[in-house]
Amino acid sequence: DGGITQSPKYLFRKEGQNVTLSCEQNLNHDAMYWYRQDPGQGLRLIYYSQIVNDFQKGDIAEGYSVSREKKESFPLTVTSAQKNPTAFYLCASSIMGQSNQPQHFGDGTRLSIL
Amino acid sequence: AQSVTQLDSQVPVFEEAPVELRCNYSSSVSVYLFWYVQYPNQGLQLLLKYLSGSTLVKGINGFEAEFNKSQTSFHLRKPSVHISDTAEYFCAVSPLMTGGFKTIFGAGTRLFVKA
Repeated sequence: DGGITQSPKYLFRKEGQNVTLSCEQNLNHDAMYWYRQDPGQGLRLIYYSQIVNDFQKGDIAEGYSVSREKKESFPLTVTSAQKNPTAFYLCASSIMGQSNQPQHFGDGTRLSIL
Repeated sequence: AQSVTQLDSQVPVFEEAPVELRCNYSSSVSVYLFWYVQYPNQGLQLLLKYLSGSTLVKGINGFEAEFNKSQTSFHLRKPSVHISDTAEYFCAVSPLMTGGFKTIFGAGTRLFVKA
């Protein structure tokens, strides 16, 4: 079955460390997204990508970086500049250019600080 | 700009009782409307969507929602809930002609079904 795979499910970061969250999809979607979810705040967009080798900042991009070298993959790096990284991170994808299409989500990565 | 307000952060309800989860939105342009469900430690799954046409939309798991343009609302309902409906529910709007990159999610409503 097609879907989105996020790994790891749980991740711990030490002070000053960069960590990378993996997101892979086999839905053949062009558009991919990273969201941050905090309790009571819904989802906030970190970055999105419409095509390979192109990505755009979302509402809360500071302290994060992404790459899109392959259509199927959209990894997110949480850098040491992100001072409050503890959150649930969700990757999503959708058919590009169609705002009437829903987003498909992975099962998330929960990041905590050691 | 768009905004989404889910009027209740938590809704406790007894099993087999009806439930309504409220969603209001604000937008200067026309939008598509979605409801998603999130079970613990999982991603979001689409429940239903309103694109156009009939204002009453039926989704999975017996849920339905009604679009009210004059009140800019999109409330989610189920006539009889089950324990398995315990989850968090998110309302979302996506402005037309923006390619989905401007989707705004509400803060979520946690539905707790009691036996």
